[in-house]
Amino acid sequence: DTAVSQTPKYLVTQMGNDKSIKCEQNLGHDTMYWYKQDSKKFLKIMFSYNNKELIINETVPNRFSPKSPDKAHLNLHINSLELGDSAVYFCASSQGFRGANVLTFGAGSRLTVL
Amino acid sequence: AQSVTQLDSQVPVFEEAPVELRCNYSSSVSVYLFWYVQYPNQGLQLLLKYLSGSTLVKGINGFEAEFNKSQTSFHLRKPSVHISDTAEYFCAVSLQGAQKLVFGQGTRLTINP
Repeated sequence: DTAVSQTPKYLVTQMGNDKSIKCEQNLGHDTMYWYKQDSKKFLKIMFSYNNKELIINETVPNRFSPKSPDKAHLNLHINSLELGDSAVYFCASSQGFRGANVLTFGAGSRLTVL
Repeated sequence: AQSVTQLDSQVPVFEEAPVELRCNYSSSVSVYLFWYVQYPNQGLQLLLKYLSGSTLVKGINGFEAEFNKSQTSFHLRKPSVHISDTAEYFCAVSLQGAQKLVFGQGTRLTINP
């Protein structure tokens, strides 16, 4: 039973389209995250939610909108996709949101924008 | 703000040889330090962490790391690597009490037979 599951695993779409990535965790964690990994493997945090409340919102274009319907789910919706959005998007969760907490990652969703 | 530098983007080693992956961080306050590993086509998983106490930290799969406050380093070591250790390794730092984990650029460890 996967701890942090993301769907879809692969997503290929055209520029200008809108797409969503879903994430669910069954660990009972309070905090969930979206990270973006670019083609050079660099990982950067995008958003973090704690108990459905947004606590981190990095300088991400407002075409990206996270939604947390409950603390076990964190979805990412992207409007008007651009070539530069191509990346692997990782969902993660942790028990709390302070620095000592260990993150559990999903397997990633590879987005390719053509 | 904290930052992390992994000094080597790629490290090739022969099987059963020792390896060290270097990580330096920058912070004016106390930090927590982590090493995560990413196997091909998978998400990241925790290798080991330093929160406090002994500066030598042991992790999974025979890896260990040493926290050196004066040199602001947290290098990862393994005395004898296996083919299965081929992966991308990420050092990460979080300020104590902070909400954000910042990752280094990653080091690709390639094991040659």
